[in-house]
Amino acid sequence: DVQLVESGGNLVQPGGSLRLSCAVSGFNFNDFTMNWVRQAPGKGLEWLSYITRTSRTIYYADSVKGRFTVSRDNANNSLYLQMDSLRVDDTAVYYCVREITGGWFDPWGLGTLVTVSS
Amino acid sequence: SYELTQPPSVSVPPGQTASITCSGENLGDRFVSWYQQRPGQSPVLVIYQDKKRPSGIPERFSGSTSGNTATLTISGTQPMDESDYYCQAWASTLWVFGGGTKLTVL
Repeated sequence: DVQLVESGGNLVQPGGSLRLSCAVSGFNFNDFTMNWVRQAPGKGLEWLSYITRTSRTIYYADSVKGRFTVSRDNANNSLYLQMDSLRVDDTAVYYCVREITGGWFDPWGLGTLVTVSS
Repeated sequence: SYELTQPPSVSVPPGQTASITCSGENLGDRFVSWYQQRPGQSPVLVIYQDKKRPSGIPERFSGSTSGNTATLTISGTQPMDESDYYCQAWASTLWVFGGGTKLTVL
């Protein structure tokens, strides 16, 4: 079975940092572009970042550009999101998602909750 | 920046057909995906490339496009279909989601 398991979510103070991880299994991680998506409490889905198979191409949403950094370790089947200068409005469930060639996300992980509060 | 517009809510009686729209500039030139998110759960892909249905998704779910509007149609809507639905499209260097539509079956 294809699985994506996010971890690293926690309570952090404004201005702080957090690193999220996503461990994948059940498919060849090297073959897929990956993305991070978040969902603030009671709100919709917000795409955050995109990283191609070899990390050659990376994109970010304007809301996190300059503060968040996506990376991947193909040898260890893992995706990461380094989040710096966190703000209260970064509070959300963060999902890592596999992008299927041709343009859709499947499957989604269970997500990890990040709470930014003093 | 690119935007996808969905109605905030749609209501449908059980057994009837629900239609959820998603509109955006030049949407007809892009592939659209649709996701279902039940309360407290992660999103699930229900339609990709405008009208294709993943394995395991019931046949009552279908997708179509016309001009700058994509439509998710649920025929014979069941109470279990009550969920939030999101459309998604690629906008050159970023993915964009619609704001979501809450489908109520009543």
